[in-house]
Amino acid sequence: NAGVTQTPKFQVLKTGQSMTLQCAQDMNHNSMYWYRQDPGMGLRLIYYSASEGTTDKGEVPNGYNVSRLNKREFSLRLESAAPSQTSVYFCASSEIRGINEQYFGPGTRLTVT
Amino acid sequence: AQSVTQLDSQVPVFEEAPVELRCNYSSSVSVYLFWYVQYPNQGLQLLLKYLSGSTLVKGINGFEAEFNKSQTSFHLRKPSVHISDTAEYFCAVSDSNYQLIWGAGTKLIIKP
Repeated sequence: NAGVTQTPKFQVLKTGQSMTLQCAQDMNHNSMYWYRQDPGMGLRLIYYSASEGTTDKGEVPNGYNVSRLNKREFSLRLESAAPSQTSVYFCASSEIRGINEQYFGPGTRLTVT
Repeated sequence: AQSVTQLDSQVPVFEEAPVELRCNYSSSVSVYLFWYVQYPNQGLQLLLKYLSGSTLVKGINGFEAEFNKSQTSFHLRKPSVHISDTAEYFCAVSDSNYQLIWGAGTKLIIKP
């Protein structure tokens, strides 16, 4: 039982490059989330998927797209990376949105130069 | 809109001393409240949560928190900290749309 896994762990991109962050959970959770964490700002929600087949914008969606590929997998895509997207990205999942504990992956540290 | 304030960005405390990490939220409408811990270079994990019932909630690793509706607070406490408690602690509140709103975090620094 791996919980929530994320790949890659580290990535360096040049401005304008694209990439996809992968996330998978093996807990049969309905809801999945993508956050970014910047110093002194806590976690900010980028996108979430309340259930398979649905996705919704969070607090900071600009410059990102997501795909809920199936119940297990939720990917985050940066189409044209910008230095402002340098951050640590966390994927999380929960049984139901809001009242259940969110389980977090180990994070992806992304640097855009 | 709901907001969460963690009043201290860093709290230094001596080992074996008690600690309180403060969290206030903006709305007294029914909420769900959480504390998460993030150890260095790791993801977050749940310490404890308040959904309903007793206002004193006990969590893992000897932590507890008290829900105070009139003061809209959910402060985290531990009677005696250890070096292994060095981490960043996040308070979060679930709003009426079941969205988790996060505080900015408090770094707990344990001094030997």
